[in-house]
Amino acid sequence: QVQLQESGPGLVKSSGTLSLTCSVSGGSFRDYYWDWIRRPPGKGLEWIGSIYHIGRTKYNPSLEGRVTISLDTSGNQFSLKLNSVTAADTAIYYCVRAGTGAESRNWFDPWGQGTLVTVSS
Amino acid sequence: QSGLTQPPSVSGAPGQGVTISCTGSNTNIGAGYDVHWYQQVPGTAPKLLIHGNTNRPSGVPDRFSGSKSGASASLAITGLQAEDEADYYCQTYDNSLRGSKVFGGGTRLTVL
Repeated sequence: QVQLQESGPGLVKSSGTLSLTCSVSGGSFRDYYWDWIRRPPGKGLEWIGSIYHIGRTKYNPSLEGRVTISLDTSGNQFSLKLNSVTAADTAIYYCVRAGTGAESRNWFDPWGQGTLVTVSS
Repeated sequence: QSGLTQPPSVSGAPGQGVTISCTGSNTNIGAGYDVHWYQQVPGTAPKLLIHGNTNRPSGVPDRFSGSKSGASASLAITGLQAEDEADYYCQTYDNSLRGSKVFGGGTRLTVL
């Protein structure tokens, strides 16, 4: 079955860029949406954005302008970049496979194990 | 801030049942979008519990059930077990602000 694994630096300096990669094994990118979600310490889950297998993206309005999600289908990976980070961006970041078909019907399954990214001053 | 409202916490004794509510608006649940539920045990990644309002993925016990009415949805858990102690989140789609996927604030279930 499909498995996802996040990778990237666990510590990023304030005002810098957070960069994470999600490696996908056991399945194809075709027809699916691929998303990033985060959970700040002591808070709930927050949707960051998604990319469709043809490269179309959509982002959380609260992060738009700072976030970019890209796809590398040949490498079976997709990536997240978040610019101008602050302490508020400290969180566990998860990559997930969302659904097929209408984006408005998407649910998230499976999830990567998550990776903690801390923004330091 | 989330457009979906959940109670911060619920609790119940082993063997009892609890219900977790998820209240939305006419731009999300009330607009007819499906609601999905996730369970996050501390220290682990979230896990899909219910999709499409009422559907349980393979492997999820039938003690978990979902429902939806109007602009609200609910997750019911019967026969509480210690392993059910976790955070629970509802999720749907919101058609405001060019459309986005949204989560509820989460509910911590404590098994007494």
